[in-house]
Amino acid sequence: GAVVSQHPSWVICKSGTSVKIECRSLDFQATTMFWYRQFPKQSLMLMATSNEGSKATYEQGVEKDKFLINHASLTLSTLTVTSAHPEDSSFYICSAREVEYEQFFGPGTRLTVL
Amino acid sequence: GQNIDQPTEMTATEGAIVQINCTYQTSGFNGLFWYQQHAGEAPTFLSYNVLDGLEEKGRFSSFLSRSKGYSYLLLKELQMKDSASYLCAASDSNYQLIWGAGTKLIIKP
Repeated sequence: GAVVSQHPSWVICKSGTSVKIECRSLDFQATTMFWYRQFPKQSLMLMATSNEGSKATYEQGVEKDKFLINHASLTLSTLTVTSAHPEDSSFYICSAREVEYEQFFGPGTRLTVL
Repeated sequence: GQNIDQPTEMTATEGAIVQINCTYQTSGFNGLFWYQQHAGEAPTFLSYNVLDGLEEKGRFSSFLSRSKGYSYLLLKELQMKDSASYLCAASDSNYQLIWGAGTKLIIKP
């Protein structure tokens, strides 16, 4: 199956700093990438959908100025958590889709904000 | 509105069979996915159904009834490693996945 990578796999940062997470589709071109957040013992929560070359579509309640998404190429999307705070600590997962079928998930990035 | 319902938690015995049900209501429908997620890990794909009927894949099978808005995931010959959360997700008219909250499956020896 298709492979999606995420980097870093975990990150610890100080409150007020910004963190960038990369999501790459390794063996296919992803026309659409999705960013999810998952808190402990909860299901996935879609944050935003990004299409290559266009602005991301954010879900209701997700601050677009805080969670900056860039989908500059068909194989790379980045999520930047700006001015991170402890409540932003979570498991961030990206997924990528080539056609309107299956989403392939990255391994996730665990963010801890101190 | 769009909604996915699945049980919060189920318990089963090693070697037994368990069926995890999922009902869905979506704006349009382009298929039903099942994913497995172990604690601290990302989801992994298990199955996809878009036509009515049963799809069998080894120890796992998935069933879909579009008219009833219903699917189930059947796990046979349960193993301890099957302890995980099982996520049901329906693809709507925009091919967006609508996620259930997940069913935590606990396997006991």
